[in-house]
Parts: sequence; C-alpha cells; structure tokens
Amino acid sequence: GAVVSQHPSWVICKSGTSVKIECRSLDFQATTMFWYRQFPKQSLMLMATSNEGSKATYEQGVEKDKFLINHASLTLSTLTVTSAHPEDSSFYICSAPGPGRSNQPQHFGDGTRLSIL
Amino acid sequence: GQQLNQSPQSMFIQEGEDVSMNCTSSSIFNTWLWYKQDPGEGPVLLIALYKAGELTSNGRLTAQFGITRKDSFLNISASIPSDVGIYFCAGPWAGNMLTFGGGTRLMVKP
Repeated sequence: GAVVSQHPSWVICKSGTSVKIECRSLDFQATTMFWYRQFPKQSLMLMATSNEGSKATYEQGVEKDKFLINHASLTLSTLTVTSAHPEDSSFYICSAPGPGRSNQPQHFGDGTRLSIL
Repeated sequence: GQQLNQSPQSMFIQEGEDVSMNCTSSSIFNTWLWYKQDPGEGPVLLIALYKAGELTSNGRLTAQFGITRKDSFLNISASIPSDVGIYFCAGPWAGNMLTFGGGTRLMVKP
C-alpha cells in the first residue's frame, strides 16, 4: 500500500532554532499533502495543506511565517518551524492521499516529536 | 473544520471482550475512515467505507457506514493486548482534507 515517510522522528533542540521536517510519499506522487499537529491525548489538528508548485493553505490561527511549508516536488513536502520556542513542542504528522482514484484515504507518516528546550 | 463526535472517549476492558465505538456527524459524509494510532506513531488506516450501509471487516475489526451517512461504528471482537491505542474516525472535509473525531483511547487488561 501507499507509504508516507517522515523524517526526523524526534528532534530536541534549543529555543530559537529552526527545525525542518520532511514528508515523502514513497512510490507514488502527491500533489497535495497535509500537516497536522497533535498535543498529548488530543486529536489531530490540521495546520495546513501543502500544494505542489504553489503556496500552502493555512488553517485559521496558524502562523504562516512561523510554520513555513514548501512542496517543491511531487513526492516531498517540508515543514520548517522557524525560531522554535517551547510552546512549539508537539507531535507533527504529515499525510498524503493515496494514489489512484479520487477520495483515496490519507496515509500518514510516523510523526515527528519536536521538543524545544 | 467539521468536528466529528466520537464516543466513548476511553475504554478499559478485559482481554477477550468485544469493543464498540462510534462516530456521528451533523453533516452527511460520502466516506468514513477508521484509523488506529499507537503511542509516538502516526495513524494507520484500518478500514475505509464508501457506501451507506456498507459493512466491512478487517480481521477482528468490523466497521459500518450508517444508512443516514451521518454515523459509523467500529467493533473489535475478542480484544487482545496489542489492540491498545487510540482509534480515530475521520471523514472528508472540503475536498481532500480530513476531519477527525476526538479519538477513543482503548486500554486492555491482560
């Protein structure tokens, strides 16, 4: 089945550091990918829709200058948390719709746990 | 986006028991998805439902797409310790986006 690979799986860094998270679709192309944030014991919260070759669409309340998204190829989207602070610590997950017909289920990466000291 | 109401929020059951959880929405959905999330990992698709009334099984898991298209349930039969995790229902919202239920945390006593 469709596989989405996310890297790194865990990042610990100092406050003020910028962190880049990669999301790759393996063996299929994804013109759209999605980035979620998940706090402990809560559901996934959509942050933004990543569109290949164009600007990302951000959900209300998500700072686009803080969470930079680039979708430069059909298999890779990146999320950069700029000048990260402790309140940005969270679990970040990406997803992509599977290949084939429309309304394919989304497949998720394994997530990135970001811890800002 | 549209929020799905998922219940129960958590369940603590004995190994071997059957489990049932459900999701409801105020809007009609054309697709219902059920995912399981293990700690520290991304959600994994369990079952996808595309037709009202559809009943689909995946091993010990069975899910149904409600006739009204506003609800779905997931059953797990004869639970085992590895069933522990958080189960999410999800439905499409505004094109390819997904909206999620709040999750059902399942804990199994051996």
